[in-house]
Amino acid sequence: TQLLEQSPQFLSIQEGENLTVYCNSSSVFSSLQWYRQEPGEGPVLLVTVVTGGEVKKLKRLTFQFGDARKDSSLHITAAQPGDTGLYLCAGHRDNYGQNFVFGPGTRLSVLP
Amino acid sequence: NAGVTQTPKFRVLKTGQSMTLLCAQDMNHEYMYWYRQDPGMGLRLIHYSVGEGTTAKGEVPDGYNVSRLKKQNFLLGLESAAPSQTSVYFCASRDNRGRNTGELFFGEGSRLTVL
Repeated sequence: TQLLEQSPQFLSIQEGENLTVYCNSSSVFSSLQWYRQEPGEGPVLLVTVVTGGEVKKLKRLTFQFGDARKDSSLHITAAQPGDTGLYLCAGHRDNYGQNFVFGPGTRLSVLP
Repeated sequence: NAGVTQTPKFRVLKTGQSMTLLCAQDMNHEYMYWYRQDPGMGLRLIHYSVGEGTTAKGEVPDGYNVSRLKKQNFLLGLESAAPSQTSVYFCASRDNRGRNTGELFFGEGSRLTVL
């Protein structure tokens, strides 16, 4: 059983479309991070959200942390082929010491 | 900027063989981690270290050992490799500022196949 669930598992869309991916848990997190991983590389941090209800924007990407700090969403506006990759969410819990637990990821493919 | 460097990048082992993966970081980070990534499972923490000379178990430590003799290096060892250890291994590091907001910096991964 995964502590963090992500949906959808796979997503293939056309360039210019909008999309939302989700990260859900039954547990409360003190913070949540989103990473993007490209083939053959390690994950790279996109954003960290800390406060329930927080919304952060990174160009065409909008991240939201749920009010109860149990879930998060990532919305991409006008997707581009460069957005293709594996999107991973990672949650930090206070009883996890210095550690983050990762979800299984959403694999996004944006077709030109 | 080297960041986090993992060696080797690829390795094929036979069941029962041993090997060591090396992770080196040049950012003077206190915390270092070893994860394995399997399809549909995300990244699972094997072992981690909060400083030179200290190590601790993560979610999936069985079959692995680690050492952190120098601050910049974190070694992951497989004493007797098993096919279930076929995976992509990632090392990561971060500094000790921001208990729950620190950024993890990852290496490029080491792909291990155990036959």
